[in-house]
Order: sequence, then structure tokens, then C-alpha cells
Amino acid sequence: NAGVMQNPRHLVRRRGQEARLRCSPMKGHSHVYWYRQLPEEGLKFMVYLQKENIIDESGMPKERFSAEFPKEGPSILRIQQVVRGDSAAYFCASSPLPVQTSGKGADTQYFGPGTRLTVL
Amino acid sequence: AQSVTQPDIHITVSEGASLELRCNYSYGATPYLFWYVQSPGQGLQLLLKYFSGDTLVQGIKGFEAEFKRSQSSFNLRKPSVHWSDAAEYFCAVGAGSGGSYIPTFGRGTSLIVHP
Repeated sequence: NAGVMQNPRHLVRRRGQEARLRCSPMKGHSHVYWYRQLPEEGLKFMVYLQKENIIDESGMPKERFSAEFPKEGPSILRIQQVVRGDSAAYFCASSPLPVQTSGKGADTQYFGPGTRLTVL
Repeated sequence: AQSVTQPDIHITVSEGASLELRCNYSYGATPYLFWYVQSPGQGLQLLLKYFSGDTLVQGIKGFEAEFKRSQSSFNLRKPSVHWSDAAEYFCAVGAGSGGSYIPTFGRGTSLIVHP
């Protein structure tokens, strides 16, 4: 059973370009979470999605960032017009149950290896 | 809203020595607490968690942590460190009702193990 897959593992973009990060959850998982890790900081929650729905986007920057989790295919985190401050590691996690069932659901989050985004 | 503080950015220990990584949280009610480990270039792996009950919890890889409500702490310990334990360690707090169910992570503690 493959774990959470993220690609690409490393992504280099120039300022103003678009970055598309992909996350394929574990088999049977329909809940996906995106986190951002800035250098020497912990993970910051960005968005929580279920299939075709955004459940919680309270951690998403208001501009340039968007996320989707279509009925078929991976979840996509899109960053438009990237700036140097977007350079970070972006982690995806998935779970078989909705986290909001209870806080205990957090332990069933399985993390992917991350995508390291570098903006030149 | 909950928050987590990991006061040590780096910890260096010799192989075979004991280890304690500190974690302090802020949350009004009983929190859910987690420790994760992140090896270089890898995602996060759950080491252990505390929800309720016995305040001393055992995890994988020989780690344990103790919840101390009076000190708002959840320190991670290991009696004898192995070189393979060198990694980044994150403490996280998730809330029950009335708080964010999404865990909040500390900034991490980097563990360096000397031979």
C-alpha cells in the first residue's frame, strides 16, 4: 500500500511564474491537508479538502494561492505569480476519516515527503 | 487558539546518552498532544500521542512522553539515543471541542547525535 505521494519533490520557479504541487493521498483516503514549512519553522496549516470540496481554508493566503481536490486525480496546490517568500517545503497529509470528527482524527494523518519549492 | 513552544532549536547528545526534548503548549482545556519525527527529506512520522488517561505515554522507537498539566508540558524522552535518531522533532497540539481540530505544530528541535 503506497503512502502519500507528492510530486515534484523539488521545484524551482522564477518570480512571477506559477507553481503546481500535486498530492496523491493514500488509497482509500478522501481527506487531504496541505501544510507549509518555512525555514526553521514548524508546519503551518493551509487548507483541508475532501473530494471536490474545500472544508477549511483558514490558513491559506488570501491571494495567489488556491487548492483543489477533484473527484478524479490528485489534489493540487497552485501558487500563482510566485515570490521569493513562497520558498518553503509544502507537505500534504491524508486521512481516512474527517479530522473534525474529533481532534483524535489528527493521529490518522499520514504525511507525504513534501515538495521543496525554491523561487529564484 | 492553541499554541506550542519548543524552546530548543538544536540539541546535541552523544550516542547512548539520555534525551529530553521540551514542549510547552497553551490551551484552555485538555489538549491532544503529539510528537512527530522528520528525517531529512522525509515527511513526518507520528511517534506518540496523548489524548487522556495515563499521563506517561509510550511511542515507537523507544520514545516516551509525559503530560504534565501543571506545567503545560509534554516533554519527549528516550533513555539511550541511537545515531539513527538524528532528525527534526515536532511537538503538536490539537484541541477538542472549542478549539481548532487541526494540529498546531511547534517550530521543531533538531537533534544531533555524536558518535
